[in-house]
Amino acid sequence: EAGVAQSPRYKIIEKRQSVAFWCNPISGHATLYWYQQILGQGPKLLIQFQNNGVVDDSQLPKDRFSAERLKGVDSTLKIQPAKLEDSAVYLCASSRGQREKLFFGSGTQLSVL
Amino acid sequence: DAKTTQPTSMDCAEGRAANLPCNHSTISGNEYVYWYRQIHSQGPQYIIHGLKNNETNEMASLIITEDRKSSTLILPHATLRDTAVYYCIVRVAWNYGGSQGNLIFGKGTKLSVKP
Repeated sequence: EAGVAQSPRYKIIEKRQSVAFWCNPISGHATLYWYQQILGQGPKLLIQFQNNGVVDDSQLPKDRFSAERLKGVDSTLKIQPAKLEDSAVYLCASSRGQREKLFFGSGTQLSVL
Repeated sequence: DAKTTQPTSMDCAEGRAANLPCNHSTISGNEYVYWYRQIHSQGPQYIIHGLKNNETNEMASLIITEDRKSSTLILPHATLRDTAVYYCIVRVAWNYGGSQGNLIFGKGTKLSVKP
């Protein structure tokens, strides 16, 4: 079974630039999550989708972050404009349902200079 | 905020059992205890979860105290590949219109398995 795919693996940008991350969940998984992991800390949930609808985006900084999951499969997370404090690993995860165990991708490591 | 307390780091000798403790004194009756681990440069990986009873799978055993206020993850024969950060998480199993049961990670325990 293929795992959660994320790209790119690494991204370096300057502050105020924009960046986008892509996630392809495990086939058949209805629930998709984006987490932010700052160095030395545990992952923090940014947004949760159930199919193509948003379930929880309470921790998403909506002035600069946006996410979508068109057709309930792939998802993109965008940051515009980026700040220095956005430097982190962005992890995508999926699960069959909201109460099921999560499977994580390897993440995208973002460095904002 | 995370609802669990874990030691910052632990060491274990290769081939010995690794016992990772977790305190969750404010756990509610409808919350599971989940364990994930994160190997360097990878995403977190599910290990095991339980509600009341002890659980065992091919990776580990989970021992939950009778009052459910603490638990221990046991890796029976630790290998160098078990070196990772281990996260203990309490997660709502079901709800009546409240939280969606998201995973809230703390800082975890950094387990170092040494030869």
